[in-house]
Amino acid sequence: EPEVTQTPSHQVTQMGQEVILRCVPISNHLYFYWYRQILGQKVEFLVSFYNNEISEKSEIFDDQFSVERPDGSNFTLKIRSTKLEDSAMYFCASSAGRGNYGYTFGSGTRLTVV
Amino acid sequence: GQQVMQIPQYQHVQEGEDFTTYCNSSTTLSNIQWYKQRPGGHPVFLIQLVKSGEVKKQKRLTFQFGEAKKNSSLHITATQTTDVGTYFCAGALYNFNKFYFGSGTKLNVKP
Repeated sequence: EPEVTQTPSHQVTQMGQEVILRCVPISNHLYFYWYRQILGQKVEFLVSFYNNEISEKSEIFDDQFSVERPDGSNFTLKIRSTKLEDSAMYFCASSAGRGNYGYTFGSGTRLTVV
Repeated sequence: GQQVMQIPQYQHVQEGEDFTTYCNSSTTLSNIQWYKQRPGGHPVFLIQLVKSGEVKKQKRLTFQFGEAKKNSSLHITATQTTDVGTYFCAGALYNFNKFYFGSGTKLNVKP
């Protein structure tokens, strides 16, 4: 079964450093998403991406965050200057379309900011 | 802002007992999805409901979408230890590109 692949599985970074989280969505999917989940809490929407541009973003997704699809297969989330409160599990997801399509989530990157 | 509330937060059942989790939205949803997250795992898509009053079944799981499209439920009949995990609902407004996740119901099944 097709999978969404995320790397790395765990990233430890110092506060103020930049991190890039990488995702390879399912190849024929058109919509891409980043969500995050602080330990033990609910899954929070960050951003959706379609046709090489952001289609929607949440209030969490401030100027410190950016997304890119640099080469037609990878989908990256960059956090420019990490804060302690950015520590969370970051999930990438993709879907074949809007409407009647579920999301396929990757296994996540656990980001720890120290 | 848009909120999707989910209850209960935790449910401990004996294997063989039934389980239900409920989801309520402050506003009318266009559709709702349900996900299961095993401990240490990632959310796995279970189902999507779109129509008012819709009921869908997957083996022992029954999903309902309320008539007003503001609430939904997931019912598991005769739970098994493999049902252990956190069940999330996720509701979307007119824009299918953003789903609001509920806080999840953590199900523990004792053998």
